[in-house]
Amino acid sequence: AQSVTQPDIHITVSEGASLELRCNYSYGATPYLFWYVQSPGQGLQLLLKYFSGDTLVQGIKGFEAEFKRSQSSFNLRKPSVHWSDAAEYFCAVGALEYGNKLVFGAGTILRVKS
Amino acid sequence: GAVVSQHPSWVICKSGTSVKIECRSLDFQATTMFWYRQFPKQSLMLMATSNEGSKATYEQGVEKDKFLINHASLTLSTLTVTSAHPEDSSFYICSARDGTSYEQYFGPGTRLTVT
Repeated sequence: AQSVTQPDIHITVSEGASLELRCNYSYGATPYLFWYVQSPGQGLQLLLKYFSGDTLVQGIKGFEAEFKRSQSSFNLRKPSVHWSDAAEYFCAVGALEYGNKLVFGAGTILRVKS
Repeated sequence: GAVVSQHPSWVICKSGTSVKIECRSLDFQATTMFWYRQFPKQSLMLMATSNEGSKATYEQGVEKDKFLINHASLTLSTLTVTSAHPEDSSFYICSARDGTSYEQYFGPGTRLTVT
């Protein structure tokens, strides 16, 4: 069965510090991967996506993620966190073989301390 | 481009009544639309997939007769929660995909509260 694991439920970082949010997946097909951000009571905003090609992808708001097939991971990174980055982050995985349905991780809540 | 809207953004209804939520793709034709449910402090769970002009495919454990989905056109899908109960209170999010893209475009969500 397809699954997505975000091991960290909460992460707290200081403003200006670097950030890495972890995402691991288990999929029986060639996946494509997404990172979304959600502010309280709001919908999802796409940060970045990986379909194929260069395994290091750049997204909006200074975020990047690296697809590592050998580790089944797609970790999200940002070199310097801003207070406005505080939100919940979801990793999602899909595959053409599974009808393009997305499976979401449980989410990681990011808190930024000043 | 690729904007998806939902209406209403929030709704309160009484137990036993039905409520309809609309999902529209504003600037593209959505051959497939997905409906998700998100409980507080939890992730999104896919409820069903709908393709224009055909019946929706429901995920295991989702009651078809309770959550009626209609995808009557390439720009509109509706989710009707029938005979709503307090346990149906949740955040419902739709997404839409055109036929050529792997990417889903998400609506802003609808907060349903059943009293």
